[in-house]
Amino acid sequence: KQEVTQIPAALSVPEGENLVLNCSFTDSAIYNLQWFRQDPGKGLTSLLLIQSSQREQTSGRLNASLDKSSGRSTLYIAASQPGDSATYLCAVRTGFQKLVFGTGTRLLVSP
Amino acid sequence: DTGVSQDPRHKITKRGQNVTFRCDPISEHNRLYWYRQTLGQGPEFLTYFQNEAQLEKSRLLSDRFSAERPKGSFSTLEIQRTEQGDSAMYLCASSLPRGGREAFFGQGTRLTVV
Repeated sequence: KQEVTQIPAALSVPEGENLVLNCSFTDSAIYNLQWFRQDPGKGLTSLLLIQSSQREQTSGRLNASLDKSSGRSTLYIAASQPGDSATYLCAVRTGFQKLVFGTGTRLLVSP
Repeated sequence: DTGVSQDPRHKITKRGQNVTFRCDPISEHNRLYWYRQTLGQGPEFLTYFQNEAQLEKSRLLSDRFSAERPKGSFSTLEIQRTEQGDSAMYLCASSLPRGGREAFFGQGTRLTVV
């Protein structure tokens, strides 16, 4: 059974700092990995999608890497801003159609 | 708005009542998913449709839950005889069958059973 773990559970940083969020998964046979952002009481916004054959994806200040063999992904956020405060969720898609999610990292960026 | 749309956004119901939620996926997406999210947890898979066919159901989907996608477009999720444990955010997502299968989520329906 695929299990996804995200560390840390919560993170508080001052504005401008670079930070890394971690995601690990137990079964390396994944189809892809997706990072999402969730604001309180809202739905999920897709940030980055990495196919199993890819090593990284970049979008603006965000960079996600994937090491499938070791079951790890990281989300790097450069020059953090208060507007980045949210919960960040990592999810993997296996041979079945569903996404398996971690419990998220709650990020607070202080001005 | 061309994103995934869910209705209602919030629903408060008394225990024992039936509720129905609707999801309109992105128009060209033939794959539709329902997830449930409780406070402090990641979303958990409930069920998946490819066009109008329901291809996978989670064990979380008890016999009080039923989902349909009659014409392969919008979908409904019905919960019969609601219980307090059903209180959660119900999320709908859709994706294309090709192009990496990136999942796009709606804003969710927050259900509170009192």
